[in-house]
Amino acid sequence: EVQLVQSGAEVKKPGESLKISCKGSGNSFTNNWIGWVRQMPGKGLEWMGIIYPGDSDTRYSPSFQGQVTISADKSITTAYLQWSSLKASDTAMYYCARFFGDYAPRGDYWGQGTLVTVSS
Amino acid sequence: DIQMTQSPSSLSASVGDRVTITCRASQSISSYLNWYQQKPGKAPKLLIYAASSLQSGVPSRFSGFRSGTDFTLTISSLQPEDFAIYYCQQTYNTPWTFGQGTKVEIK
Repeated sequence: EVQLVQSGAEVKKPGESLKISCKGSGNSFTNNWIGWVRQMPGKGLEWMGIIYPGDSDTRYSPSFQGQVTISADKSITTAYLQWSSLKASDTAMYYCARFFGDYAPRGDYWGQGTLVTVSS
Repeated sequence: DIQMTQSPSSLSASVGDRVTITCRASQSISSYLNWYQQKPGKAPKLLIYAASSLQSGVPSRFSGFRSGTDFTLTISSLQPEDFAIYYCQQTYNTPWTFGQGTKVEIK
């Protein structure tokens, strides 16, 4: 069975850097898009971007371009989301998901979420 | 970016009711439309993909339909475990945008 396991909750100060992870299982990780989704407290889902671990092709939402970096290491089937300088407004739950299918890609498996809290 | 507009933003319904949620795309997205269910404190769960295909393991009371750029999610007979927030998402063009969500509450 496909599993995505995310790293644990983080509490950071504004201006600090952070890298959170999403570890997937087997071939299904390398050959599918892995996406990141933000959910701010009490709010809806926001698509941040995707990466294809097989060749590291990465696409960002314009809302998040330049604000975060998405990367992956296919040798250890892990995707990453990182910030170089956190803001209080980055406080949110972050989900990774596998997007399966060439036709109408869909998020069929999701990680459990990583809660990021940024506070002075 | 393609805008996805869901309606209503919330609704109250009783167990056994038929419930329909609508999602309208700002431009053609073919059938590249997915529906998710999210319960408090949980990750989203895929219900419907490609506008009308039922994800494996999802009860058959959930169905999806496309008419042009309008998409609907229907729950034929609402069950207690269906009270949640529902989101549509287009994966036709990046950014793969979500609708703003529809909260289904108990009447």
